[in-house]
Amino acid sequence: KQEVTQIPAALSVPEGENLVLNCSFTDSAIYNLQWFRQDPGKGLTSLLLIQSSQREQTSGRLNASLDKSSGRSTLYIAASQPGDSATYLCAVITYQAGTALIFGKGTTLSVSS
Amino acid sequence: KAGVTQTPRYLIKTRGQQVTLSCSPISGHRSVSWYQQTPGQGLQFLFEYFSETQRNKGNFPGRFSGRQFSNSRSEMNVSTLELGDSALYLCASSLEGSLNQPQHFGDGTRLSIL
Repeated sequence: KQEVTQIPAALSVPEGENLVLNCSFTDSAIYNLQWFRQDPGKGLTSLLLIQSSQREQTSGRLNASLDKSSGRSTLYIAASQPGDSATYLCAVITYQAGTALIFGKGTTLSVSS
Repeated sequence: KAGVTQTPRYLIKTRGQQVTLSCSPISGHRSVSWYQQTPGQGLQFLFEYFSETQRNKGNFPGRFSGRQFSNSRSEMNVSTLELGDSALYLCASSLEGSLNQPQHFGDGTRLSIL
């Protein structure tokens, strides 16, 4: 059974810092991995999707990498801003579960000005 | 283009009642998935509908059911509500339900059971 773990559960940084969020998964048989952002009381906003054949994806100040063989992904946020404060979730789609996203519990990021 | 719309935003029910939640996907999207989010369990997959057919189902009891209409709008029904059903219910849509397309989420329905 696929398990997705995100460490740390919470992270506080001052504005301007570069930071890395980690995601690990136990079953490497995945179709893709997706990073989301969730603001309090809101739904999820898709940030980046990495296909299983890709190594990384970039969007603005965000860069996500994927190492399928080791079951790891990282989300790199450059020059963090207070507006980046949110919970970041990673999720995978696996061969076994089909169309269901399997989520980690998330990392809650707080960026102080 | 309008995003995924979920109604209502908030609901309060009592144990034993039933509830119906609605989800309108992004125009042109044919796949709709439902998720339950709780502080303890996080986000868990309920089911997915594509072209009016349930294509995938998570590990939830039969009290949780859904359907999809010909315009791709979807409803989720929970019968005989229990206190543990209190959660944020999120709906997501994607273009064709392909395994390599991003899913787009609505803001959810917050269900509270008294």
